[in-house]
Amino acid sequence: AQSVTQLGSHVSVSEGALVLLRCNYSSSVPPYLFWYVQYPNQGLQLLLKYTSAATLVKGINGFEAEFKKSETSFHLTKPSAHMSDAAEYFCAVSESGTASKLTFGTGTRLQVTL
Amino acid sequence: DTAVSQTPKYLVTQMGNDKSIKCEQNLGHDTMYWYKQDSKKFLKIMFSYNNKELIINETVPNRFSPKSPDKAHLNLHINSLELGDSAVYFCASSHMDASTGYTFGSGTRLTVV
Repeated sequence: AQSVTQLGSHVSVSEGALVLLRCNYSSSVPPYLFWYVQYPNQGLQLLLKYTSAATLVKGINGFEAEFKKSETSFHLTKPSAHMSDAAEYFCAVSESGTASKLTFGTGTRLQVTL
Repeated sequence: DTAVSQTPKYLVTQMGNDKSIKCEQNLGHDTMYWYKQDSKKFLKIMFSYNNKELIINETVPNRFSPKSPDKAHLNLHINSLELGDSAVYFCASSHMDASTGYTFGSGTRLTVV
């Protein structure tokens, strides 16, 4: 069985500060890992994905994440937060090689302050 | 040129009614899903279809019945709606190997009164 743990349901950063959203996963097979962003009253937009290629993955809007197998982590970072980054962020895992279900973490709400 | 489209976007209905949500994707994916997002934003899979065949059926009341007429469409019919069914329902699609990720629709906000 696969699972995802997102530490911190709410993270607040100042504009221009580093964004770090934590995600740890559990999977019995090599995982595919994803970060999605959800703006208020909108759908889920894919930020980036890890599908067993490079461990450092760059996504849209300046976000990146690093797959660390030894730590079973896939933390999301952005060097400098922007007000427009305020949203709900979801980490998700699926089993590689098959369209198995995507299992989501509980989400982290990112607040960006002036 | 919407990739995954759901209709309607909002649905308000009374308890006991039957309603349907439609989903269509134009990405050429062969697998489609329904997810439910509750009031605490938690997302949980309900169903998955691959080439019109049901492959995932989580513990969902049998009042919920998905139907896939072809691999580009996956509809969700809900009978005898209950207050607890109020949520946002997301349709998604992917290739069978999921290597290109999962694409989500914009959601249908269902409110049962």
